[in-house]
Amino acid sequence: GENVEQHPSTLSVQEGDSAVIKCTYSDSASNYFPWYKQELGKRPQLIIDIRSNVGEKKDQRIAVTLNKTAKHFSLHITETQPEDSAVYFCAASWTGGGNKLTFGTGTQLKVEL
Amino acid sequence: SAVISQKPSRDICQRGTSLTIQCQVDSQVTMMFWYRQQPGQSLTLIATANQGSEATYESGFVIDKFPISRPNLTFSTLTVSNMSPEDSSIYLCSVEDRQGFTYEQYFGPGTRLTVT
Repeated sequence: GENVEQHPSTLSVQEGDSAVIKCTYSDSASNYFPWYKQELGKRPQLIIDIRSNVGEKKDQRIAVTLNKTAKHFSLHITETQPEDSAVYFCAASWTGGGNKLTFGTGTQLKVEL
Repeated sequence: SAVISQKPSRDICQRGTSLTIQCQVDSQVTMMFWYRQQPGQSLTLIATANQGSEATYESGFVIDKFPISRPNLTFSTLTVSNMSPEDSSIYLCSVEDRQGFTYEQYFGPGTRLTVT
């Protein structure tokens, strides 16, 4: 089955700096890669996703890149703000496999003033 | 996106008992899933709740421990049976929101279960 690795496990940045979180996946059939943000005590929230027919996608300060050859994808947050502090999870799924999400282990992002 | 609610939001249960968690969606959805999130950990898929048929369980999860019902396209239940302290977790349902050929998965607010 699919295995998703995520790095780093913790990331501390200064407000205004950029943050990058990286994930690798094992199943070359995976074709959908969402990112979720989970604040303490809250549900995971979908913040951006990318499909295998696209190499990059951007939404305001957030961008995701995908390298299918290397089987890795990354989340980029620019101009970080304190409200970006949360745990971020990457995930991967395959539409032919019932769209079941396999999650990475999570990254605790802390944006310091 | 679909509005998802779960009941109860939290519960404290005695070991050996069972708890049924409900997941309600405000629109009909084809795919519903149940996940477990142990304290400080990532999310692990328990099963896919299939409407009108038995749920599809992931490796390490069995129907006797986690029976699931899906009577219609807007509702599902997960029961945690014969609970032990190791079952203390957050249990989340999720639904797949389809827009044509694309889909996104959204989560309910979760049920925080503590087993004593």
